[in-house]
Amino acid sequence: GQQVMQIPQYQHVQEGEDFTTYCNSSTTLSNIQWYKQRPGGHPVFLIQLVKSGEVKKQKRLTFQFGEAKKNSSLHITATQTTDVGTYFCAGDQAGTALIFGKGTTLSVSS
Amino acid sequence: EAGVAQSPRYKIIEKRQSVAFWCNPISGHATLYWYQQILGQGPKLLIQFQNNGVVDDSQLPKDRFSAERLKGVDSTLKIQPAKLEDSAVYLCASSFGPSSYNEQFFGPGTRLTVL
Repeated sequence: GQQVMQIPQYQHVQEGEDFTTYCNSSTTLSNIQWYKQRPGGHPVFLIQLVKSGEVKKQKRLTFQFGEAKKNSSLHITATQTTDVGTYFCAGDQAGTALIFGKGTTLSVSS
Repeated sequence: EAGVAQSPRYKIIEKRQSVAFWCNPISGHATLYWYQQILGQGPKLLIQFQNNGVVDDSQLPKDRFSAERLKGVDSTLKIQPAKLEDSAVYLCASSFGPSSYNEQFFGPGTRLTVL
């Protein structure tokens, strides 16, 4: 069945360093969504990507959708302690439910 | 705007006991989802409702799990009997429509521990 893989599973950075998490699917996705879950919290929607090669930015966060619509990435520039949490990508084939990846847990030390 | 409400927030039971979780979605959201999130994993969809009808329950262990959304608003998820491997956070989410393109809004979750 469809799977969404995320790497790395964990990442620790010093405050001010950059961070990137990658999401890969074995099948073409119709859309991909990114969510953030703070420790002890619930997933919160960040963004949705739909078009091949799409790039979206939210302040220090940059999201990309691959040309083949099988992979995506989230890049954070100059991390801050407020960026701590687990970042999930979730993708679907047309007409199917979203499948969440296992997430990348980011820790930031000041 | 009020968010997705869930209760209880925490529940501890012994294996073979029954448990029920309640969810009230954001007002006006026709689609409601129940997810199971095991520690260290991403949310796994158990069941999706559109109003009071089931859209997808392919991953719901129907021998022990059941869910209903009788009036198309709030929903209840039940486990009977519980197993040790059911220990997880049960998340309820809602969205405006049934399409996977819709942003999902999650509730705070119910943390279930089965002893």
